[in-house]
Formats: sequence, C-alpha cells, structure tokens
Amino acid sequence: DVKVTQSSRYLVKRTGEKVFLECVQDMDHENMFWYRQDPGLGLRLIYFSYDVKMKEKGDIPEGYSVSREKKERFSLILESASTNQTSMYLCASSGLPRQGTDTQYFGPGTRLTVL
Amino acid sequence: DQQVKQNSPSLSVQEGRISILNCDYTNSMFDYFLWYKKYPAEGPTFLISISSIKDKNEDGRFTVFLNKSAKHLSLHIVPSQPGDSAVYFCAAKTGGGNKLTFGTGTQLKVEL
Repeated sequence: DVKVTQSSRYLVKRTGEKVFLECVQDMDHENMFWYRQDPGLGLRLIYFSYDVKMKEKGDIPEGYSVSREKKERFSLILESASTNQTSMYLCASSGLPRQGTDTQYFGPGTRLTVL
Repeated sequence: DQQVKQNSPSLSVQEGRISILNCDYTNSMFDYFLWYKKYPAEGPTFLISISSIKDKNEDGRFTVFLNKSAKHLSLHIVPSQPGDSAVYFCAAKTGGGNKLTFGTGTQLKVEL
C-alpha cells in the first residue's frame, strides 16, 4: 500500500512566522503535489514536483515555496504566514503513467491555523 | 475560472437507494476523469476513473458515466450505504499530464 505521511495533523502559528510542512512518501513516486482545501473551493494545487530539485507552480503559488531535495520528501514553506493561509494542506504523490501508477495518493492532511 | 464544477454542495439519500453525484467541466482538453472520496480528518482516496474513450466504467457498487458532448460526468452508487457518507470530489486531467484539476466537492449523506 502507498503511504503518504505528513509531519503534523494540526498546527497553530502566528502571523509572520515561517512555517514548514513536510511530506514523505514510501512508494518511490516521481511526482509529488501540495494542495490546499477550503470550503466551497475544493482542492487547489499550490506546487508540484516531478523530480528531485524540480518544481512547477500550480494554480495558487503566491506566498508559498517548496523544496524537494530527496525523492521521497516534499516540503511546503510559508515564508511569512498570513491569516488567509489558514487552511487544510494536503500532500499527494503519484508514479508515472507508463507504470500505471499515475493515480494520486494523498496524505491525511495538516490543518494549519494562522493567528 | 472553475474548470471542473460540482454544482450540488450536498446530497442526502436513503440507505439502499441510488446516489447520483454530478460533475461538469469546461476544458475540452480534459481526457481522463477521476472520483475521490474524502472522510473528515483524512486525505482523499481514489475511487474510480474513466478515460474519454469510454462512456462508462463500473467497479462494484460504483459506476461513472461520461458524456463528452455535454462535458458532464456522473458517479452512481447503488445501493448506497451509510459508510458512503463523505465528500466526493471529481477531478480531471489532460493526456499524460501530472496535474489534476478538482471540483469543489459534494457532501453525500446516506441516512438510515
């Protein structure tokens, strides 16, 4: 079974703090993704990575950065947290279509509150 | 610009009856569609998918129908069970791309 883990289930931070959200997958997947989920807006893609040290902006990258130094780990960084970044953050991973593993598998999510 | 839309935020169905969840899309380049199910405090889990070369895909109690001309897909759950109560997201992607575009979700409640 694919396992995607996220470092924290719940996190409370103050405005202006630097926040790190960590995600680890154990299936040797090439692709990793960060989404946020907000009521009425569904899941929106922040950033994704298709290889180590490679990244691409998603639909809402403003205010976020990412890091992928190792294949299994993908970090989301909020350089200076703001209250409008209070949300549920979901990490996902997927393999390559040719391997038939391109379905995205999600972690349990991190509920971030910025005060 | 919402390219994948789920116009019903919630749906309530009695146990044993059919649940029909709908999804519309605007991008004609989408050619692969997926449904995910999400329980509270958990990440979404993959449920079923369909390629644009098909108009129906079935997996046990779950069937997805695709109407390309109408840019519409639907998920049928028969018979509905209380454990099906969750938020359902439809998602779409193009070709061999990695990115999924998600809808806003429909909260399904299956009542006894």
